[in-house]
Amino acid sequence: EVQLVESGGGLVKPGESLRLSCAASGFTFSSAWMTWVRQAPGKGLEVVGRIKSNTDGGTTDYAAPVKGRFAISRDDSKNTLYLQMNSLKTEDTAVYYCVTDLMDVWGKGTTVTVSS
Amino acid sequence: DVVMTQSPLSLPVTLGQPASISCRSSQSLVHSNGDTYLKWFQQRPGKSPRRLIYKVSNRDSGVPDRFSGSGSGSDFTLKISRVEAEDVGVYYCMQHTHWPRTFGQGTKVEIK
Repeated sequence: EVQLVESGGGLVKPGESLRLSCAASGFTFSSAWMTWVRQAPGKGLEVVGRIKSNTDGGTTDYAAPVKGRFAISRDDSKNTLYLQMNSLKTEDTAVYYCVTDLMDVWGKGTTVTVSS
Repeated sequence: DVVMTQSPLSLPVTLGQPASISCRSSQSLVHSNGDTYLKWFQQRPGKSPRRLIYKVSNRDSGVPDRFSGSGSGSDFTLKISRVEAEDVGVYYCMQHTHWPRTFGQGTKVEIK
């Protein structure tokens, strides 16, 4: 079964950091481009960033609101995707979804709350 | 960024009746390779989004054939031929021709 399972969410204060993980199974993770999408409470969907497969260069792209603060990485030996979030702001409060770049497989999401 | 504009934002529908959601982009979504990268997603209450349609009109496996996508250039439509109770939720269009990928605001489908 194709599956993505996010973890690492929680409550943090503004300015703090958090790292999310996404464990992939059921497909060839190393070949997949992967994306993080977030959804603020009661709001719509927003792409945070993506990472290409290492065979395609492993490069990353980010949305403007998180560029310079967030970093996506991957460990193909562990079939795991990461989202390092630094200098968190209250507006980063959201459910964060790990998604294949084609958007055909979604995790259940992990909740990040940034509040003082 | 490409702005995706959906209408209506709220769509009350009678069971068994058709429903239609419009999605317009601020730029053409035709890629240099000739493909048009427009997807539709369904998000049921409390659930993760689910892809329904890719490349404008291709239905995902397991998606009922009452869902159909159409359009070209910058004007797209998702149609539900006969709404069923399980179709309640929010529907999003998304373009991935241009970076960053952008979603529409969402259309909430509810039963009258």
